[in-house]
Amino acid sequence: NAGVTQTPKFQVLKTGQSMTLQCAQDMNHNSMYWYRQDPGMGLRLIYYSASEGTTDKGEVPNGYNVSRLNKREFSLRLESAAPSQTSVYFCASTHRGHTTYEQYFGPGTRLTVT
Amino acid sequence: EDQVTQSPEALRLQEGESSSLNCSYTVSGLRGLFWYRQDPGKGPEFLFTLYSAGEEKEKERLKATLTKKESFLHITAPKPEDSATYLCAVQSFSGGYNKLIFGAGTRLAVHP
Repeated sequence: NAGVTQTPKFQVLKTGQSMTLQCAQDMNHNSMYWYRQDPGMGLRLIYYSASEGTTDKGEVPNGYNVSRLNKREFSLRLESAAPSQTSVYFCASTHRGHTTYEQYFGPGTRLTVT
Repeated sequence: EDQVTQSPEALRLQEGESSSLNCSYTVSGLRGLFWYRQDPGKGPEFLFTLYSAGEEKEKERLKATLTKKESFLHITAPKPEDSATYLCAVQSFSGGYNKLIFGAGTRLAVHP
């Protein structure tokens, strides 16, 4: 049981380049999320997917797109990277019980845009 | 506006020196408060969820408590392996979805 996995771990892009961050979870969770983490700030939600086939914008969606490929996989795409998108990106999935809510995170992708 | 503030930003302790981390929040309709541990270069690791004022949860040297305005993470007799950044988040239902609002974290360093 690997939990939440992300690829790549590190990436350097030039301004204007595009790339896709991959995320997969093997916990059979319905909901998946993409966050970015910047120094001195809390994690901020980019996009989320409440269930397979649905995606919605979070707090900071500009410059990003997502695809919920199936129940396991949720990808984040940067179409034209900008230096302001230099950050650490985390994918998460959520277990929701009758009275519980637990969110599990992947190891992160460290992205630098020059 | 929903907001989470953690204090202090950084905390240095000697091994065995107990202390508390604070998480104060303002949120409309709290559905849960979460504590995570984050080690350098890794993703946040889930520790606790608290759902109502007065609730307490414990795990090894950590104990989390919740009031209507804040939560504390008490660390009893810490060890160097407890060194990490501790994140607090609150869950609210806003904009049509459940969302977690994170604080900026407290960086804890425990020295032998």
